Amino acid sequence: DQQVKQNSPSLSVQEGRISILNCDYTNSMFDYFLWYKKYPAEGPTFLISISSIKDKNEDGRFTVFLNKSAKHLSLHIVPSQPGDSAVYFCAASFTQGGSEKLVFGKGTKLTVNP
Amino acid sequence: ETGVTQTPRHLVMGMTNKKSLKCEQHLGHNAMYWYKQSAKKPLELMFVYSLEERVENNSVPSRFSPECPNSSHLFLHLHTLQPEDSALYLCASSRRVWEEQYFGPGTRLTVT
Repeated sequence: DQQVKQNSPSLSVQEGRISILNCDYTNSMFDYFLWYKKYPAEGPTFLISISSIKDKNEDGRFTVFLNKSAKHLSLHIVPSQPGDSAVYFCAASFTQGGSEKLVFGKGTKLTVNP
Repeated sequence: ETGVTQTPRHLVMGMTNKKSLKCEQHLGHNAMYWYKQSAKKPLELMFVYSLEERVENNSVPSRFSPECPNSSHLFLHLHTLQPEDSALYLCASSRRVWEEQYFGPGTRLTVT
């Protein structure tokens, strides 16, 4: 049972345009959401996060939007650059019984074409 | 129950101690991971093993030493830690590297 879903395995965007990466979740207990970026042959690195009490968080070219009623979050990259080409993982977490649970999606491969 | 267990769940150690964290997965996965989660910070990847071979090491200080004797077990050996190493240490496993990961409950480590 996949609790965090990234339904698009890949996305191709032209340089300078907006990239929108989507993520859906099923568990209403998730209260913190993260995006990670992963280049080939490297581990994922943290990109941006959002708490469930917010609906938007912005950091430079990266903005994460959270729609709790729809159990949906998205990552916007504007403007997209070729260096943004990577796999993007959405992750969601909550605390249960004193333990943190973190679930990753399967990732979306973003290709930004020059 | 995630099928990934970690022991101990809580650990308090002095800076001169040597201790080990243990992770065991019962899911038949081939990849295992160590993560560090400090208070109010995002998850940081430490080590990745695939079929008992280390494939990633994200510039982790040598006072953390991983060991993967088989695909079901993963250890993190700790020695001469610093107070800033206090954090939640999470183990995870996946069928193959970078596929969906299943996390253990974590070990809450406090270095005094």
